[in-house]
Amino acid sequence: GENVEQHPSTLSVQEGDSAVIKCTYSDSASNYFPWYKQELGKGPQLIIDIRSNVGEKKDQRIAVTLNKTAKHFSLYITETQPEDSAVYFCAALEYGNKLVFGAGTILRVKS
Amino acid sequence: NAGVTQTPKFQVLKTGQSMTLQCAQDMNHEYMSWYRQDPGMGLRLIHYSVGAGITDQGEVPNGYNVSRSTTEDFPLRLLSAAPSQTSVYFCASSPWGGEVSYEQYFGPGTRLTVT
Repeated sequence: GENVEQHPSTLSVQEGDSAVIKCTYSDSASNYFPWYKQELGKGPQLIIDIRSNVGEKKDQRIAVTLNKTAKHFSLYITETQPEDSAVYFCAALEYGNKLVFGAGTILRVKS
Repeated sequence: NAGVTQTPKFQVLKTGQSMTLQCAQDMNHEYMSWYRQDPGMGLRLIHYSVGAGITDQGEVPNGYNVSRSTTEDFPLRLLSAAPSQTSVYFCASSPWGGEVSYEQYFGPGTRLTVT
């Protein structure tokens, strides 16, 4: 089955700087890669996703890239703000609409 | 819409006790799933369902049962609680298949402690 690895496990940045989180996946048949944000005490919420027929997608301060050949995808958050502090999860969709999640990245934005 | 709701929010069980975690959604989604979240391990799929009457196992199904008698409800049963089942449990739902969005909508979670 699919295996997703996520790095780093924790990330501290100064407000206004950029943050990058990287993930790799193992199953070349996976074709959908979402990113979820989880605030303290809440369930994860989708912030951006990318399908395998697209190499890059952007939504305001958030962008995601996908390299199918290398089987890795990354999340970029620019001009970070304190409200970006949360746990971020990458995931890959395997057969049967099953999401396989990475272990998560704790992002702290220092003001 | 209430989205995905879960009850209870918190629960403490003794080893060997059984209980049911409730999950309901009002978005008419065919796909529903249960995850557990443990520190450093992300979210792991326990069981999932692609429609009423259809369920299947995920990555960590042992010790849990599910059923799906209606589109709206997807309860998770712990048969005989063990300390290893101490975790935060999330229910999620999404539309199913084709070009429909794969976005999964998560409930607020149930924090379970087994002593």
